Amino acid sequence: GNSVTQMEGPVTLSEEAFLTINCTYTATGYPSLFWYVQYPGEGLQLLLKATKADDKGSNKGFEATYRKETTSFHLEKGSVQVSDSAVYFCALTDNNAGNMLTFGGGTRLMVKP
Amino acid sequence: AAGVIQSPRHLIKEKRETATLKCYPIPRHDTVYWYQQGPGQDPQFLISFYEKMQSDKGSIPDRFSAQQFSDYHSELNMSSLELGDSALYFCASSLGGRLAGTHEQYFGPGTRLTVT
Repeated sequence: GNSVTQMEGPVTLSEEAFLTINCTYTATGYPSLFWYVQYPGEGLQLLLKATKADDKGSNKGFEATYRKETTSFHLEKGSVQVSDSAVYFCALTDNNAGNMLTFGGGTRLMVKP
Repeated sequence: AAGVIQSPRHLIKEKRETATLKCYPIPRHDTVYWYQQGPGQDPQFLISFYEKMQSDKGSIPDRFSAQQFSDYHSELNMSSLELGDSALYFCASSLGGRLAGTHEQYFGPGTRLTVT
């Protein structure tokens, strides 16, 4: 079956620090990869996506590159802000298994001023 | 832009009661997904519908049922509620069903169900 593994949190950083949240996956088919963000008390918002190998998704200073050879989709941001504090979920969809999202366990990011 | 609407936002029920959660997808979206997120956990897929037909089924208990109506809104019916059903229930919508491939899913704000 499909699965997503991401680094456990919480990740605590100071403002303007560099962020990396690791994500690896297993899939039976050729997945599309996503990062979703969940702010406290809110729903899930799509942050970025990549649909084929070597694609780079980017949004709001965040980026992630679809690495088929290492089955990874690590999330990075060069300079985090306090407002980036949230839970980040790596996820995939696989057309071989319907189009539902399979999520990783989530990583809580806390950014201190 | 219009987003996914879920109602109610909060619901408190007692054990063995029933609950109905509603989801109104983004206009022109034909596919609806339901997910359950337990406290501190990642969302788990329950069930999806495309063009009013069940598309895929995940870890949905037999006590739960769902359907999609002609206006594409969906309802999740939950019976014989258990304490373990307390969770955040998300609805998401997209365009094109299981063949949509890369079409992203847009999530509603969720319904927080508390079973006491």
